[in-house]
Amino acid sequence: LAKTTQPISMDSYEGQEVNITCSHNNIATNDYITWYQQFPSQGPRFIIQGYKTKVTNEVASLFIPADRKSSTLSLPRVSLSDTAVYYCLVGGWDTGRRALTFGSGTRLQVQP
Amino acid sequence: EPEVTQTPSHQVTQMGQEVILRCVPISNHLYFYWYRQILGQKVEFLVSFYNNEISEKSEIFDDQFSVERPDGSNFTLKIRSTKLEDSAMYFCASRSARGGTDTQYFGPGTRLTVL
Repeated sequence: LAKTTQPISMDSYEGQEVNITCSHNNIATNDYITWYQQFPSQGPRFIIQGYKTKVTNEVASLFIPADRKSSTLSLPRVSLSDTAVYYCLVGGWDTGRRALTFGSGTRLQVQP
Repeated sequence: EPEVTQTPSHQVTQMGQEVILRCVPISNHLYFYWYRQILGQKVEFLVSFYNNEISEKSEIFDDQFSVERPDGSNFTLKIRSTKLEDSAMYFCASRSARGGTDTQYFGPGTRLTVL
């Protein structure tokens, strides 16, 4: 599985846009990029997934450059409730057996 | 929206005792997983289960652990003789039967405290 590198922590203020970048230099051709969010004492929650270019949903946007060696999760206008740990995961989902490998994630702290 | 549920939310047990953690995956999902997270550490994969058998397991999932799908809705994790280091949050996850990019959906977790 491709190794991912993301910042340990980030700080922001309410109403700002937050961009969290993840590096995955060894991403394989059939790998997808998935981001999860985790609040304290809760299970990880799926945010967004993409393969290339840009993906947007009601929660976030995911930007993936052409070489796919990195990706950026963009959270528009964050609020206090977006304070959480964000995980970038890379893997091929061609088989349902594939376990998810979580790194340390990025701890986002949103302040008023 | 369908969700994965887990019971109990918190389990306290004495070292050496057996515990069973229960999960109800999303109803049309066929792939099931257990993960654990020791306080302040990463989420770690334990085991995956499909078609009534273990598909994959990690080094953590030793002979003290077992999983079962006793009926059409429950998925359980049993720890036969708990150790202090088994204290952690245990998360169940499930995934649909479709291939491709389907994601895993996690339950709220069971906090296991071994005294």
